[in-house]
Amino acid sequence: DQQVKQNSPSLSVQEGRISILNCDYTNSMFDYFLWYKKYPAEGPTFLISISSIKDKNEDGRFTVFLNKSAKHLSLHIVPSQPGDSAVYFCAARQIYNFNKFYFGSGTKLNVKP
Amino acid sequence: DGGITQSPKYLFRKEGQNVTLSCEQNLNHDAMYWYRQDPGQGLRLIYYSQIVNDFQKGDIAEGYSVSREKKESFPLTVTSAQKNPTAFYLCASSQAGAYNEQFFGPGTRLTVL
Repeated sequence: DQQVKQNSPSLSVQEGRISILNCDYTNSMFDYFLWYKKYPAEGPTFLISISSIKDKNEDGRFTVFLNKSAKHLSLHIVPSQPGDSAVYFCAARQIYNFNKFYFGSGTKLNVKP
Repeated sequence: DGGITQSPKYLFRKEGQNVTLSCEQNLNHDAMYWYRQDPGQGLRLIYYSQIVNDFQKGDIAEGYSVSREKKESFPLTVTSAQKNPTAFYLCASSQAGAYNEQFFGPGTRLTVL
């Protein structure tokens, strides 16, 4: 039973445009959400996070939005660059277990020059 | 500089053999984790450890074993009881506390022939 879902396996965007990656979750006890970026044959690297007390967090070109009522979060990348091409995973953690993270299946982003 | 190392990057073993994957971190993190990634799937938690000499099963612990004798090290043994061991294995660590992200190693690709 997957508690974190990324329903789009892939996304293709033109350089300079906005990339929007989506993530849905089912567990209302999740209180912390993260996005990771992964290149082939490498480990994921942390990108941005948001706690459940916020609905938006920005870091440069990356913004994460959280809609708790819809149990949905999204990652916006503006403007998209070819170097952003990677697999993006969202992850969530519940309030009573700091050390257990649940990951989505990932979305492969391709930014075309 | 600080980070997580996993060795080797590629590992080949014959069916029926146990194999141990190495994970070392010099980030002084308390918690360490092992994940498995299969094509088209997210990261699935095998085991995690919050402190030395303590560890908990994740979602897919069957056929795996771990030890945490030192803070810096968290080796994973893939035993012959693991039915489908060929996968990409990722080790991660994190600081204790509520809002800390995980740092990942580069991964080990295990192929059982």
